[in-house]
Amino acid sequence: DTEVTQTPKHLVMGMTNKKSLKCEQHMGHRAMYWYKQKAKKPPELMFVYSYEKLSINESVPSRFSPECPNSSLLNLHLHALQPEDSALYLCASSQRGPDGGELFFGEGSRLTVL
Amino acid sequence: GQQLNQSPQSMFIQEGEDVSMNCTSSSIFNTWLWYKQDPGEGPVLLIALYKAGELTSNGRLTAQFGITRKDSFLNISASIPSDVGIYFCAGSSNTGKLIFGQGTTLQVKP
Repeated sequence: DTEVTQTPKHLVMGMTNKKSLKCEQHMGHRAMYWYKQKAKKPPELMFVYSYEKLSINESVPSRFSPECPNSSLLNLHLHALQPEDSALYLCASSQRGPDGGELFFGEGSRLTVL
Repeated sequence: GQQLNQSPQSMFIQEGEDVSMNCTSSSIFNTWLWYKQDPGEGPVLLIALYKAGELTSNGRLTAQFGITRKDSFLNISASIPSDVGIYFCAGSSNTGKLIFGQGTTLQVKP
């Protein structure tokens, strides 16, 4: 069983909706990540938080807004999304910072934008 | 930018056969990771490699960190139907980002 928990598992939203994806880890890891994954493609990095501070933003559109309330929680706020944003959104954590080490992924949140 | 070339792109094998897949790069990596992903699930870490030349096993899985630090391979022995899925290699260097290969889709015929 994964120790990175993501909710909801499935989300359907319209282009005018505001929703949030949530991620939680209790492994004491200091780095947390958001990835976007299209079918049969590798995960694409979106954001990295290291010690609760945003350290990497891969030029993600502002309709995606990350938030790290504390070292165990990571949110991704969604607003005015487009149908092409439909994908599997993966949260991950690592004990070390983003310069190496093992990433542990959650089961993902399947997002469909209508 | 850094890229990983993962091959083969897909494999269709008979149950009981051995499987081999690899990743290569023109850049040096400090860490190699191998993941397996089932449909609709997140990637699950199979093996982590940290030293050039390191050979590590996890049950029927064996992976090696290439001596040049630019490649890695994953072998699966005596495949079974539950080995079906997409396998990703990933490498990290001093750039601060994990680079993923394009994946190898494995199908096993009972």
